[in-house]
Amino acid sequence: NAGVTQTPKFRVLKTGQSMTLLCAQDMNHEYMYWYRQDPGMGLRLIHYSVGEGTTAKGEVPDGYNVSRLNKREFSLRLESAAPSQTSVYFCASSPGTSTGELFFGEGSRLTVL
Amino acid sequence: GQNIDQPTEMTATEGAIVQINCTYQTSGFNGLFWYQQHAGEAPTFLSYNVLDGLEEKGRFSSFLSRSKGYSYLLLKELQMKDSASYLCAAMDSNYQLIWGAGTKLIIKP
Repeated sequence: NAGVTQTPKFRVLKTGQSMTLLCAQDMNHEYMYWYRQDPGMGLRLIHYSVGEGTTAKGEVPDGYNVSRLNKREFSLRLESAAPSQTSVYFCASSPGTSTGELFFGEGSRLTVL
Repeated sequence: GQNIDQPTEMTATEGAIVQINCTYQTSGFNGLFWYQQHAGEAPTFLSYNVLDGLEEKGRFSSFLSRSKGYSYLLLKELQMKDSASYLCAAMDSNYQLIWGAGTKLIIKP
């Protein structure tokens, strides 16, 4: 039972470098999400996807690009990392909006120097 | 604007009962969720309320008052493993979750 798997778990980047976070779920869920979590703040939605081939902007999309590669996989790319993007990133999936229950990956801790 | 308020931190004693409050203001409302998050781990789903009243699940119960924009999570017979952050989230009319900053619950022996 893998559930939602994120890679990498930890990464340190220099300002201006690029990187991609990968997320895969094996629960056949339609909806996938990328959140960031910062101290003292609630989870903030970056981008989400309601199905294969679709993506949409969340609350804080600037500086991030996403791709729903197929039903299982949803990637998050930082083209030119900035220190303000230092955060813990969570991928989540759900079967649909009506249930609301999200299944989260273990998180990816990103530090931008 | 949309907003979720919950206390930053609470302390309780092992074996006791604790109530974590949450107030919300959203554009439309499609339900209120509680998640548990242990330090360094992912949030995990605890409960969902969309109608007024109390939902009980073992040692955990969740209450909702839609007219007051208010919910609480009640934890009974506290155990040390209940030390965690508890996240309140409200679903708005667009089915987007608005998250509170979380309440860190510290359990003392």
